Amino acid sequence: KQEVTQIPAALSVPEGENLVLNCSFTDSAIYNLQWFRQDPGKGLTSLLLIQSSQREQTSGRLNASLDKSSGRSTLYIAASQPGDSATYLCAALNTNSGKSTFGDGTTLTVKP
Amino acid sequence: DTGVSQDPRHKITKRGQNVTFRCDPISEHNRLYWYRQTLGQGPEFLTYFQNEAQLEKSRLLSDRFSAERPKGSFSTLEIQRTEQGDSAMYLCASSLVVWETQYFGPGTRLLVL
Repeated sequence: KQEVTQIPAALSVPEGENLVLNCSFTDSAIYNLQWFRQDPGKGLTSLLLIQSSQREQTSGRLNASLDKSSGRSTLYIAASQPGDSATYLCAALNTNSGKSTFGDGTTLTVKP
Repeated sequence: DTGVSQDPRHKITKRGQNVTFRCDPISEHNRLYWYRQTLGQGPEFLTYFQNEAQLEKSRLLSDRFSAERPKGSFSTLEIQRTEQGDSAMYLCASSLVVWETQYFGPGTRLLVL
């Protein structure tokens, strides 16, 4: 059974700082690893998707990496802004079941 | 491409009542997923469809839950005899194929009194 863990659960940083969010998973038989952003009371917004054959993906100030052998993914946010404040979730899509398993997220606060 | 839509956005019901939620996926997306999310937790898988076929159903789903996707278009999730423990955000997502990006709707927030 896939288990996904995100550390830390909460993170507070001053504006402008670079930061890394961590995601670990126990079953490496995945199609992909997807990172989402969720604002309070809202649905999820897709940020980056890394296919199992890829090592990283970049979009603007965001860079996500994937290491299947160690069961880890990281989301790097450069030059953080107050508008980046949200909960960030990762999800692993398993090949044997076709379903996604989510972590419980990291709640990020960027202070002006 | 109008995105994934869900209706209603909010639902308050009394314990024991039945409720039905609707999800309209992005046009031509073959995969449709339902998740449940409670405060402070990540979304929890409930079920998914490949076109009109329901391929997987979580063991967390009791017999009170049923989902359909007639004709492989919109989907409905019904909860019968609601309980207070059913209070949560119900999220729907769709993707073109299994390995592609899942796009989420805004969710339906259910409160069972």
